[in-house]
Amino acid sequence: EVQLVESGGGLVQPGGSLRLSCAASGFIFSDYWMYWVRQVPGKGLMWVSRMDDDGTTTTYADSVKGRFTISRDNAKNTLYLQMHSLRSEDTGVYYCIRDRVMRQSTWDFDLWGRGTLVKVSS
Amino acid sequence: QSALTQPPAVSGSPGQSITISCTGTSSDIGTYNYVSWYQQYPGKAPKLIIFDVSSRPSGVSNRFSGSKSGNTASLTISGLQPEDEADYHCGSYVIRSNFIFGGGTRLTVL
Repeated sequence: EVQLVESGGGLVQPGGSLRLSCAASGFIFSDYWMYWVRQVPGKGLMWVSRMDDDGTTTTYADSVKGRFTISRDNAKNTLYLQMHSLRSEDTGVYYCIRDRVMRQSTWDFDLWGRGTLVKVSS
Repeated sequence: QSALTQPPAVSGSPGQSITISCTGTSSDIGTYNYVSWYQQYPGKAPKLIIFDVSSRPSGVSNRFSGSKSGNTASLTISGLQPEDEADYHCGSYVIRSNFIFGGGTRLTVL
């Protein structure tokens, strides 16, 4: 089955750190650009970061630049998001997403995981 | 970069057509044709229903259509059905490798 499964979310204090993981299966993970998007429950979506298929190109939203790091291990079919200096506004469900097209960044968020909830609160 | 502007809610009766607008600027929708739309049911992940302004992924009903004029993109759902009741989010590429979404629109089928 083609799927993405996120893990690693939880409750963290402001200023703390957390690492999210996303396990991919059912497709050739190393062929696709990958993204992280977050959503405050009941609110809109916000793009967080993206990484190219071979792990050499990364892009971040201005609000997380310098605090978050996206990475991937193609041998383990896994995408990561390392988050530092967390703030209350980072709270939300974090989705791992695959691009619609192989080896291109179309910004079309085609395959979504179920998400993992991150809550930043004291 | 501010979010794209969507109406918070729209409604329609079964069989009718509705249109959801998504307004941006010349830095996003007005310049790029990388506009996409997502359908989201409560407690579920969003699903891609329109990409590149007006293209539909395989398996998405042709009752869903997209268009763009100037800085505003639109999603039209024709022949409204009860299962169309969901949240709809628009998104657009932004200059300098960025991406923004709208605030989302709740569609109610009366």
